[in-house]
Amino acid sequence: AQSVSQHNHHVILSEAASLELGCNYSYGGTVNLFWYVQYPGQHLQLLLKYFSGDPLVKGIKGFEAEFIKSKFSFNLRKPSVQWSDTAEYFCAVPGAAGNKLTFGGGTRVLVKP
Amino acid sequence: ETGVTQTPRHLVMGMTNKKSLKCEQHLGHNAMYWYKQSAKKPLELMFVYSLEERVENNSVPSRFSPECPNSSHLFLHLHTLQPEDSALYLCASSQDFRGTYEQYFGPGTRLTVT
Repeated sequence: AQSVSQHNHHVILSEAASLELGCNYSYGGTVNLFWYVQYPGQHLQLLLKYFSGDPLVKGIKGFEAEFIKSKFSFNLRKPSVQWSDTAEYFCAVPGAAGNKLTFGGGTRVLVKP
Repeated sequence: ETGVTQTPRHLVMGMTNKKSLKCEQHLGHNAMYWYKQSAKKPLELMFVYSLEERVENNSVPSRFSPECPNSSHLFLHLHTLQPEDSALYLCASSQDFRGTYEQYFGPGTRLTVT
């Protein structure tokens, strides 16, 4: 079965700092990869997704993620965070059969003003 | 009209009660999902429905009973729950049940079992 690991459970940083969140998955047969974000008091929503093509994917709010097939990784980055980026971030990858999404444990990010 | 709505937003119930959670999607999607979100645990998929047919039951105890009367509505019937069932229950929908499609989430129902 697919498993998704997010190595950092909590990240605290100051505004303007750079952010990188790791995501590794176990089953490499799929190349459909997602990052979701949950802002305080809000719905889980899609941040960005990779299906094919350029392995560097750009999403909303200045976020980007890089798919590295050989490392089974899909790390999320933002060069300069803002206080409004305080949220929980989830990586999600389809299972081996291509059905259902498996979510990582999430990373809580706190950006101090 | 927001994409996926859930009612109620908060629910407190005793272990002997019976209650139901409701989800409605206004996106014309064919697949709907129930997830459980607990503190310190990954998001857990509970059930998947595609065109009103259940396609996934992720080893969920029988005290949780889903119902999908049509492709726009999904219910989760609850009975004789345990305190460890307290969590945020999220509903989601997508164009198709295959994992290649983006899922749209509702705001969740915060359930407390006393």
